[in-house]
Amino acid sequence: DVKVTQSSRYLVKRTGEKVFLECVQDMDHENMFWYRQDPGLGLRLIYFSYDVKMKEKGDIPEGYSVSREKKERFSLILESASTNQTSMYLCASSFGTRMSDTQYFGPGTRLTVL
Amino acid sequence: AQSVTQLDSQVPVFEEAPVELRCNYSSSVSVYLFWYVQYPNQGLQLLLKYLSGSTLVESINGFEAEFNKSQTSFHLRKPSVHISDTAEYFCAVRNLMKTSYDKVIFGPGTSLSVIP
Repeated sequence: DVKVTQSSRYLVKRTGEKVFLECVQDMDHENMFWYRQDPGLGLRLIYFSYDVKMKEKGDIPEGYSVSREKKERFSLILESASTNQTSMYLCASSFGTRMSDTQYFGPGTRLTVL
Repeated sequence: AQSVTQLDSQVPVFEEAPVELRCNYSSSVSVYLFWYVQYPNQGLQLLLKYLSGSTLVESINGFEAEFNKSQTSFHLRKPSVHISDTAEYFCAVRNLMKTSYDKVIFGPGTSLSVIP
């Protein structure tokens, strides 16, 4: 079974704080993704990585950065959290570059910025 | 640009009744289509996917979806729902035109509530 784990299920931070969300996958997947999920908007891609130290912007990268120092770990960083970043954050991974590859999701981190 | 529409944001249905969750997409090229399910307090899981071949695809828990190219639809159906089917359902599309990365576009989701 593929397992994607996220460091926290719930997180409460203050405006201006630096926030780290961690994601780890145990199936040697090449690709990893960070999405945010908001009601009525579905999932929107923030950043993705297709290899160690490689990253590409998704649809909504503003206010976020990422780090992938090891293949199994992909971190999402909010440099200075703002209230409009209150959301559910989902990490996912997939095996390779085939179009048919399934994405496997973690349980999500619900972040509240006060 | 690609987009995915799920017209029904919420679908309440009685247990053992049939259900259809609608999904329409727009794309100028051929696509792969997916349905993901998100049970309460969990991440998304793949329910089924259409890649090629038969336009009717089935999942292991009784759901099926039919790809209709002319109507650009991929509606999800189940003839008899159970309480355990209560979840959020997301339709997703990925186009087959190879670029640096062909991302998956997700619809806004449909919340299915099964009423005892």
